[in-house]
Amino acid sequence: GEDVEQSLFLSVREGDSSVINCTYTDSSSTYLYWYKQEPGAGLQLLTYIFSNMDMKQDQRLTVLLNKKDKHLSLRIADTQTGDSAIYFCAERGTGRRALTFGSGTRLQVQP
Amino acid sequence: EAQVTQNPRYLITVTGKKLTVTCSQNMNHEYMSWYRQDPGLGLRQIYYSMNVEVTDKGDVPEGYKVSRKEKRNFPLILESPSPNQTSLYFCASSADRGRGFDNEQFFGPGTRLTVL
Repeated sequence: GEDVEQSLFLSVREGDSSVINCTYTDSSSTYLYWYKQEPGAGLQLLTYIFSNMDMKQDQRLTVLLNKKDKHLSLRIADTQTGDSAIYFCAERGTGRRALTFGSGTRLQVQP
Repeated sequence: EAQVTQNPRYLITVTGKKLTVTCSQNMNHEYMSWYRQDPGLGLRQIYYSMNVEVTDKGDVPEGYKVSRKEKRNFPLILESPSPNQTSLYFCASSADRGRGFDNEQFFGPGTRLTVL
């Protein structure tokens, strides 16, 4: 079946850039997503990218997609303490409604 | 305010005692879904519903039931809960604008269930 993998933990200093990486196996992935989960809260969609795009930028967020290597990354510029959360990568293949999630990357931002 | 609500937010129960977690959305979404979140495993889909009276199994349906009698509600039923169903549960909904559209899923705040 489809699989999505992420590293479990990332620690950065406030003001630095954070890069969270994700790999997936489904070659039919149509949409790829980044969700943010703050402590005690549900998942909040941060951004998504269509599979025919290489890059998408949205304010401090930059998503890079390497479809050949099935690699997705999320770069957060000027990381703030409020960015501390768990970030989930997810993908959805053609014709599927369900999302396949990675296990989440816990981002810790140190002052 | 457009939202997905779940109740209860926290529940501690004992093995075998039937329980229901409610989910309601006010966005007139056709698609609704239940996920469970476990450490190191991300979110896994339990059941989903494409519309009223249409439900289907996700990746981990064993031990769960759902119903979709109304468009806005999608309760998750555990007939005989067991400790391995201790988890964080999320309900989600999305519009159905057909294939080729990104039908963003909106998530509820989560229900933390502990089965003793």
